[in-house]
Amino acid sequence: AQSVSQHNHHVILSEAASLELGCNYSYGGTVNLFWYVQYPGQHLQLLLKYFSGDPLVKGIKGFEAEFIKSKFSFNLRKPSVQWSDTAEYFCAVKKLNTGFQKLVFGTGTRLLVSP
Amino acid sequence: NAGVTQTPKFRILKIGQSMTLQCTQDMNHNYMYWYRQDPGMGLKLIYYSVGAGITDKGEVPNGYNVSRSTTEDFPLRLELAAPSQTSVYFCASSSSGSSNQPQHFGDGTRLSIL
Repeated sequence: AQSVSQHNHHVILSEAASLELGCNYSYGGTVNLFWYVQYPGQHLQLLLKYFSGDPLVKGIKGFEAEFIKSKFSFNLRKPSVQWSDTAEYFCAVKKLNTGFQKLVFGTGTRLLVSP
Repeated sequence: NAGVTQTPKFRILKIGQSMTLQCTQDMNHNYMYWYRQDPGMGLKLIYYSVGAGITDKGEVPNGYNVSRSTTEDFPLRLELAAPSQTSVYFCASSSSGSSNQPQHFGDGTRLSIL
């Protein structure tokens, strides 16, 4: 079955620690890749996206993600987290084919950053 | 700067009751979506619409109905509420279905069926 896997369900870090959240997908072919963030009490917001070109993409608030096609991965990174990064992070994949292109979400990773 | 607005934010229903979750967007987006988010699970697509008068099923449509009489509104209807429909429901919209047009999400409706 086509799926998106986020390996870490809960991550706890101290401020200034480095962050890497894993995301793997099981589709073959061309995909578009996204990371969304949901801050407590807020709606999902787009953090960054990859369509083509440079596999290292930079998003808002110092986040970046690297697409490794051979590993079917799109891991999210941030060199130094802040307390305000406490949120739930969702990886999402859109398989490019004919017809309606559904966005498939991973199960999410809850990040808690302690001050 | 409203974006996507969902009402209500919270609701408790009894088994067998019906209700409509409202969603409206003021961005003139053609595409609209309903997702549900269960604990420990990713968002699952219930229904989507590519324009007024056009709707189609997503991954988990059973037990739900939608309509799209206007571009702005995309209500989700539960006819006979069941405990399995306890979830957080998110409405989203995008200007088109292509990937370079991101989906904009509402704040969600937390629904409990008891």
